[in-house]
Amino acid sequence: GAVVSQHPSRVICKSGTSVKIECRSLDFQATTMFWYRQFPKQSLMLMATSNEGSKATYEQGVEKDKFLINHASLTLSTLTVTSAHPEDSSFYICSARGSGQGSYGYTFGSGTRLTVV
Amino acid sequence: GENVGLHLPTLSVQEGDNSIINCAYSNSASDYFIWYKQESGKGPQFIIDIRSNMDKRQGQRVTVLLNKTVKHLSLQIAATQPGDSAVYFCAENPATGFQKLVFGTGTRLLVSP
Repeated sequence: GAVVSQHPSRVICKSGTSVKIECRSLDFQATTMFWYRQFPKQSLMLMATSNEGSKATYEQGVEKDKFLINHASLTLSTLTVTSAHPEDSSFYICSARGSGQGSYGYTFGSGTRLTVV
Repeated sequence: GENVGLHLPTLSVQEGDNSIINCAYSNSASDYFIWYKQESGKGPQFIIDIRSNMDKRQGQRVTVLLNKTVKHLSLQIAATQPGDSAVYFCAENPATGFQKLVFGTGTRLLVSP
């Protein structure tokens, strides 16, 4: 089946630094990737949608200059949290859709726990 | 707005019971719905999906029911097992053209042996 690898699974960074999270589709070409954020005991909140080779579309209220998304290839998307602050601490999850998955296939990564200290 | 920060409701059942988890979705134009299971510290795991032209779909031990009139979705789990303990989310595709999924607030299922 379709597999999405997300790395790192956990990261701790100092306030003011930047952190990059990678999301890779291992056995299919991900034409569209989605990035979600999830706070404890809450649901997944969509941050942005990216299509390969295009600029990401951000959801209302999500700062595009703070959460930089790159989807330069059909197998890799990255989310960079710039100038991270403690309130950015959260669980970040990517999801990918692509060719070979049928009309409605969404595959999720295993998530990245970001802690900003 | 979407995904208001509410505390997760909890459904507690005994092993072997049938579980019913409910979800109210927001967009009457949504044409595709998915149920996901999420264990602690992991990404969502696909359970079952249904398109808006259907009312019911069955999988292995799971059934999804869709009532478009009242914008309600339910997940029925037969013979619930301790391994079913997790948080369950419904997700809808609002048919906006971007193919994104919008998640509901979720329900925590606790199965006691």
